[in-house]
Amino acid sequence: QKEVEQNSGPLSVPEGAIASLNCTYSDRGSQSFFWYRQYSGKSPELIMSIYSNGDKEDGRFTAQLNKASQYVSLLIRDSQPSDSATYLCAVKVDSSYKLIFGSGTRLLVRP
Amino acid sequence: DTAVSQTPKYLVTQMGNDKSIKCEQNLGHDTMYWYKQDSKKFLKIMFSYNNKELIINETVPNRFSPKSPDKAHLNLHINSLELGDSAVYFCASSQIGVGNYGYTFGSGTRLTVV
Repeated sequence: QKEVEQNSGPLSVPEGAIASLNCTYSDRGSQSFFWYRQYSGKSPELIMSIYSNGDKEDGRFTAQLNKASQYVSLLIRDSQPSDSATYLCAVKVDSSYKLIFGSGTRLLVRP
Repeated sequence: DTAVSQTPKYLVTQMGNDKSIKCEQNLGHDTMYWYKQDSKKFLKIMFSYNNKELIINETVPNRFSPKSPDKAHLNLHINSLELGDSAVYFCASSQIGVGNYGYTFGSGTRLTVV
């Protein structure tokens, strides 16, 4: 089992819709969770972080964490074509300094 | 004003050559990392230095050797390059112990071995 799993996609949504991206992780000791956005040919860019169970909202983005189910998700409201990118889920186990990344979900927002 | 800068951005070289990639950060972070991103976009950690001390050394061929002269710089030297080394190499930095912030990545070095 991979440490951090994501559906590779592509996830295709129409402009203005809600895009829902999901991630599961295997290490129950994981304490910090991050979502990165990566445009083609560019570097990953941090867009959300979450540490406690529940929801965390920032503009059009909402991160959701459920530690009991080992599940973290990212919702993008009012999706725009400029949101089309690969979204990487990353997990940090506090006993380690490293971020473990999933393989990413490609999101396509259709105009 | 680039926070994490890598050089070169592109590197094309022949099998068997030795090459280096350099990374510098001006964020005042105490920890730097090298990640490799393969053609399937999977980001895998290779090394990490905290205040010039090696703290993460993943299962990487010993042809790869990192070096951190100070906490703002982290270099990666690769000996006897192989075709399978072709990938994008990202440098990143963070501040350990200050909140739980994620990394800041450099723009990447696309290495092509021919």
